[in-house]
Amino acid sequence: GDSVTQMEGPVTLSEEAFLTINCTYTATGYPSLFWYVQYPGEGLQLLLKATKADDKGSNKGFEATYRKETTSFHLEKGSVQVSDSAVYFCALSDLGGSARQLTFGSGTQLTVLP
Amino acid sequence: ETGVTQSPTHLIKTRGQQVTLRCSSQSGHNTVSWYQQALGQGPQFIFQYYREEENGRGNFPPRFSGLQFPNYSSELNVNALELDDSALYLCASSCDRGNTEAFFGQGTRLTVV
Repeated sequence: GDSVTQMEGPVTLSEEAFLTINCTYTATGYPSLFWYVQYPGEGLQLLLKATKADDKGSNKGFEATYRKETTSFHLEKGSVQVSDSAVYFCALSDLGGSARQLTFGSGTQLTVLP
Repeated sequence: ETGVTQSPTHLIKTRGQQVTLRCSSQSGHNTVSWYQQALGQGPQFIFQYYREEENGRGNFPPRFSGLQFPNYSSELNVNALELDDSALYLCASSCDRGNTEAFFGQGTRLTVV
């Protein structure tokens, strides 16, 4: 079945540091790939997505490129802010049966220190 | 445009009891999916409802059941609660059986004691 593996956290960075969170996936078809963010006490918010190989998703300074050859979708940001502190989830969506469900990784806790 | 709302926000139940969680989908969305998020884990797909019928199910036992109403709001019912059912339950609404972006509610935190 489909699965997503994320780099384990927690990750602690100083403000303005470079961020990379690794994500690899296993899927039988041609999935769409997503990064979601969860702030404390809140639900999930879509951060960015990519629907086909070599697509780059970007939002709020975050970027991720869909790499089919390495089955990866690593999240990057050039300069993190304290407000980026949250849990980040990599996810894929593959058309399994008739329901387009999301399969999530286990999440990476990011803390940015001032 | 209203977002996805879930109720209640927090709930404490005793092992063996039954619980009903509610979700109002975003305006214009006809698909609701439910996820269980255990502490420190990623969300796990429970099932999806599309136009009032179950449209896909994850690896959850039959004591997890649901409904979708004509206005596309939804309920998640869990019978015979177990301690391991303690989790954050997330509802996500979308269009066309999930082929468009899913918008998540803030979740219901269920604690089983």
